[in-house]
Amino acid sequence: AQKITQTQPGMFVQEKEAVTLDCTYDTSDPSYGLFWYKQPSSGEMIFLIYQGSYDQQNATEGRYSLNFQKARKSANLVISASQLGDSAMYFCAMSPPFGTPLVFGKGTRLSVIA
Amino acid sequence: EAQVTQNPRYLITVTGKKLTVTCSQNMNHEYMSWYRQDPGLGLRQIYYSMNVEVTDKGDVPEGYKVSRKEKRNFPLILESPSPNQTSLYFCASSLGPTAGANVLTFGAGSRLTVL
Repeated sequence: AQKITQTQPGMFVQEKEAVTLDCTYDTSDPSYGLFWYKQPSSGEMIFLIYQGSYDQQNATEGRYSLNFQKARKSANLVISASQLGDSAMYFCAMSPPFGTPLVFGKGTRLSVIA
Repeated sequence: EAQVTQNPRYLITVTGKKLTVTCSQNMNHEYMSWYRQDPGLGLRQIYYSMNVEVTDKGDVPEGYKVSRKEKRNFPLILESPSPNQTSLYFCASSLGPTAGANVLTFGAGSRLTVL
C-alpha cells in the first residue's frame, strides 16, 4: 500500500528566503504521481505541483519546484522567495497508477515571518 | 467556472439524525471522492467512485454511505451520525484515476459537528 510521510509538523521561514518541505513516500508500483497541495487558513485545498514517476526533470511551477529523488523515494517541495501569503498547511500526496484516490501525508504547517 | 460545489458548508446536528452532504462537479470528471480532515491526521479517504454506479471504500468508510447515480453528483450520507464523525469533509473530482490525470479539484469543504 502507498504511504506518504511528512516529518515536519511545523516550520518557520523568513520572508524572501527559500524553504524546503520534506516528503517521503513508499510504494511498490513503478508508475505513480506525486502532488503538493496548499491549504491556507481559509480552508480550501489548492493544487500546486505534480511530478510523474517517469518524468526525467523536476517539476517547476513559478516559485514552486519539486525536488524528486526517486532512489530515495523523496519528493520535497521547494518554495523560493517566500512570501507572507505562503503561510499555510502543505500536503504531499501520491497517486497509484490506477484506481484508488490520492493518499495524503499529515501535512506541514509553514509560517512565513516578516 | 469549473468547480466542485458541496453543501452545506457548515452543519451542526445531533447524534442519530440522518444527514446528507451534497457534492456536484461541472467538469465532466469521471472520478470523484470524499475525504475527511482531522487535526494531526491529514486527509483520509472515505469513499471514491470511478464512474456512474461504481463506488468503492477508502480507508475510513465506517458510518458513511455514498451513491453515484449521475456523473456530476456524489452525495455523502451519514445514516446515524456520531460525535466521532465531527470533522471537515472534502469532496473532490478528477479527470480519471491514472496518476497524471488524478489532479484533484476540491470543493470548499463542509464542517460538520455532531453533538
